[in-house]
Amino acid sequence: DADVTQTPRNRITKTGKRIMLECSQTKGHDRMYWYRQDPGLGLRLIYYSFDVKDINKGEISDGYSVSRQAQAKFSLSLESAIPNQTALYFCATSDFGTSGNEQFFGPGTRLTVL
Amino acid sequence: SQQGEEDPQALSIQEGENATMNCSYKTSINNLQWYRQNSGRGLVHLILIRSNEREKHSGRLRVTLDTSKKSSSLLITASRAADTASYFCATEPTSGTYKYIFGTGTRLKVLA
Repeated sequence: DADVTQTPRNRITKTGKRIMLECSQTKGHDRMYWYRQDPGLGLRLIYYSFDVKDINKGEISDGYSVSRQAQAKFSLSLESAIPNQTALYFCATSDFGTSGNEQFFGPGTRLTVL
Repeated sequence: SQQGEEDPQALSIQEGENATMNCSYKTSINNLQWYRQNSGRGLVHLILIRSNEREKHSGRLRVTLDTSKKSSSLLITASRAADTASYFCATEPTSGTYKYIFGTGTRLKVLA
């Protein structure tokens, strides 16, 4: 089984809808991240969490919110989706203590907002 | 804004040739990582080089880091068709809190 899983893998929704993307990990890592990827722009950090009680905004947090329900679960919500949030979304985890903050990525969620 | 920028944006080579891609960044860093991404999939960590290191090897990969020029290079020797992917550098700024800033990536195509 994959160490970092994301659901759903693909989602098509309409403008104004609320969407939740979920991430689960079995690696036992404390740190979890949400990124979005757009063509030609690489990955940009949306939110990150270093433990259950720690949530931090990243580079592009506007229009997004997150919830760290447990060490293993980190959800990303789009409160009112808009077309320019169409992108590939990745969850990642890391454990600084053992590997110099190498990040382990999930398979991604392709989100289309019509 | 992007911390890292890869160069070239795209590279096409024949199988067996070496592939070199470069990453430039803007601020002081603790370390730099290279990741690989197959089309539409998650990124996979390749190698990490710390700011006090100048060169590192892992199999067919060789990474160099020049902190005075704020640049790094990734060399893939004897490339294979399976190396076809996008490659990203990610830097951990010294001013940051254990988060990484990714570059825009180099798309490598290895022709069989």
